Amino acid sequence: DQQVKQNSPSLSVQEGRISILNCDYTNSMFDYFLWYKKYPAEGPTFLISISSIKDKNEDGRFTVFLNKSAKHLSLHIVPSQPGDSAVYFCAASAKGGSEKLVFGKGTKLTVNP
Amino acid sequence: DAGVTQSPTHLIKTRGQHVTLRCSPISGHKSVSWYQQVLGQGPQFIFQYYEKEERGRGNFPDRFSARQFPNYSSELNVNALLLGDSALYLCASSLLPPGGIRNEQFFGPGTRLTVL
Repeated sequence: DQQVKQNSPSLSVQEGRISILNCDYTNSMFDYFLWYKKYPAEGPTFLISISSIKDKNEDGRFTVFLNKSAKHLSLHIVPSQPGDSAVYFCAASAKGGSEKLVFGKGTKLTVNP
Repeated sequence: DAGVTQSPTHLIKTRGQHVTLRCSPISGHKSVSWYQQVLGQGPQFIFQYYEKEERGRGNFPDRFSARQFPNYSSELNVNALLLGDSALYLCASSLLPPGGIRNEQFFGPGTRLTVL
């Protein structure tokens, strides 16, 4: 049962344009969401997070939007750079217990020069 | 400052053997979690430890065990290895205890385990 879904395995954009990565979740207990970026042979690198009490969080070129009613979040990267090419994982956690992260399968972003 | 460190980087074992993976969290972080990532999937939660106590366990068989030491480093042990245990094993640390203010987990580079 995939509680966090990233339905696009891959995305290709031109340098300087916007990249939009999408994520859907099914567990209504999730209240904290994170995006990680992963290069081959490295561990995931934290990018940005958002609590369920917010609907938007910005950090430089990265903005995460949360639509709780639709159980959907998205990561916007503006402007996209070739160095952004990586696999992006959406993760979610529910309050209490271990607050373990539940990950999607990832979206491979390629930014073309 | 050093990030999360893991050892070894790569490991090759045969079926039935035992393996121990090690993790050192970011200095000051008391919470350590372990995840397994198989090819084409996102990381899957195995264990979380905080202050040497197990705070959570994922859906993994009893062949998997872990512990946390007084210096907050951690070991993941896997007994009776199966071919399906081949994966990237990731360790993550976080500053705050689970159940309080939410905070991000920072991942190490992982240990690539191959079971032949």
